[in-house]
Amino acid sequence: QVQLQESGPGLVKPSQTLSLTCTVSGGSISSGGYYWSWIRQHPGKGLEWIGYIYYSGSTYYNPSLKSRVTISVDTSKNQFSLKLSSVTAADTAVYYCARREDGELHFDYWGQGTLVTVSS
Amino acid sequence: QSALTQPASVSGSPGQSITISCTGTSSDVGGYNYVSWYQQHPGKAPKLMIYDVSKRPSGVSNRFSGSKSGNTASLTISGLQAEDEADYYCSSYTSSSTVVFGGGTKLTVL
Repeated sequence: QVQLQESGPGLVKPSQTLSLTCTVSGGSISSGGYYWSWIRQHPGKGLEWIGYIYYSGSTYYNPSLKSRVTISVDTSKNQFSLKLSSVTAADTAVYYCARREDGELHFDYWGQGTLVTVSS
Repeated sequence: QSALTQPASVSGSPGQSITISCTGTSSDVGGYNYVSWYQQHPGKAPKLMIYDVSKRPSGVSNRFSGSKSGNTASLTISGLQAEDEADYYCSSYTSSSTVVFGGGTKLTVL
């Protein structure tokens, strides 16, 4: 059973870079076959797709966030990461990592989510 | 990319059926059979309920069904149960090789 777990600071100052890591257990990222994703949810609001990465390093980003987002993968640690630069209060959200199978266009496994607050 | 359009709320009594709509464009919902639906209870992560418009993952009740007509997809829940009360989100692949979600619909079981 695949499990995903987000980790990272719960508080980030405005203008700084938000950094989160998702640790995958129960399966190996380097085996391929999946896209590893980040999705966020503003408080009381809907879901927003941020982007995803294939184990090879290919990335796809939400055009509205593309200039500030970097998603990377560390196969040696079975982790993938999100960096979001120049954050503002509008980036306060619960951030989820999720898995998408190659050839499929849905997210079948999700992490529990982690709240990141942007505040000075 | 603009979010898909869902009604803010729907309600129904136990045993009844409800339908939640999800409207997009020919560049997303209408252009691909890659619509999925997620259920989210308060404080929990979303759970996949329907994918590829009408397919159910293993373990999801057959009371949940999906369909699509043109640029609008729909999720129908039959035989409403108290445990179905949650937020529901649709999602679609887009012509830009991205993913877009709907704004979410709050289902209240009366």
